[in-house]
Amino acid sequence: AQKITQTQPGMFVQEKEAVTLDCTYDTSDPSYGLFWYKQPSSGEMIFLIYQGSYDQQNATEGRYSLNFQKARKSANLVISASQLGDSAMYFCAMREAVQGSSNTGKLIFGQGTTLQVKP
Amino acid sequence: SAVISQKPSRDICQRGTSLTIQCQVDSQVTMMFWYRQQPGQSLTLIATANQGSEATYESGFVIDKFPISRPNLTFSTLTVSNMSPEDSSIYLCSVGGTGGTLETQYFGPGTRLLVL
Repeated sequence: AQKITQTQPGMFVQEKEAVTLDCTYDTSDPSYGLFWYKQPSSGEMIFLIYQGSYDQQNATEGRYSLNFQKARKSANLVISASQLGDSAMYFCAMREAVQGSSNTGKLIFGQGTTLQVKP
Repeated sequence: SAVISQKPSRDICQRGTSLTIQCQVDSQVTMMFWYRQQPGQSLTLIATANQGSEATYESGFVIDKFPISRPNLTFSTLTVSNMSPEDSSIYLCSVGGTGGTLETQYFGPGTRLLVL
């Protein structure tokens, strides 16, 4: 069964420093997608970054980068130059693949990591 | 990116009543989904809203409890029926395949539901 694991319930980082949020996944499908979302206290889910299983390079979006290590089945999110506004819950998710279909759209989520940025 | 709106943004309801949540997207999308996030928990997919046919429900969710409509490619509704306090959650609409790419999946702002 497919599974996403985020082992860090909570993390602290000093403003302007970099932080890495861990995510490991388990799947037997060769084709899958990995997502990171930010959820502030308002409850909305903000899409941050996507990594496809066949992508050769690690995804980057501004201050966000994804450290994709396929053999280890890990997809850690790196946030550079942390800002106070980065304080939020962060979710790693995997898109379930279906044989013969491009994708189902069903996302399987980890339990999340709460990040607090200290001034 | 797709702009997704949901109504209502929050509500407080009495047990035994029903609430219909609306999801509107600013562009036509192939796939629309409804997720639930119980307090302190992660997100769980309720169902896939299919245009022109019945929704596809995940294990543990049934049509009688969570009827879904999708009359066109930009709109869907989720009804939470015969509510109990256990239904208190954030309900989120999600769309995938925007702009012709499958590398994105966006969420609406969510509906915070409290059942008393």
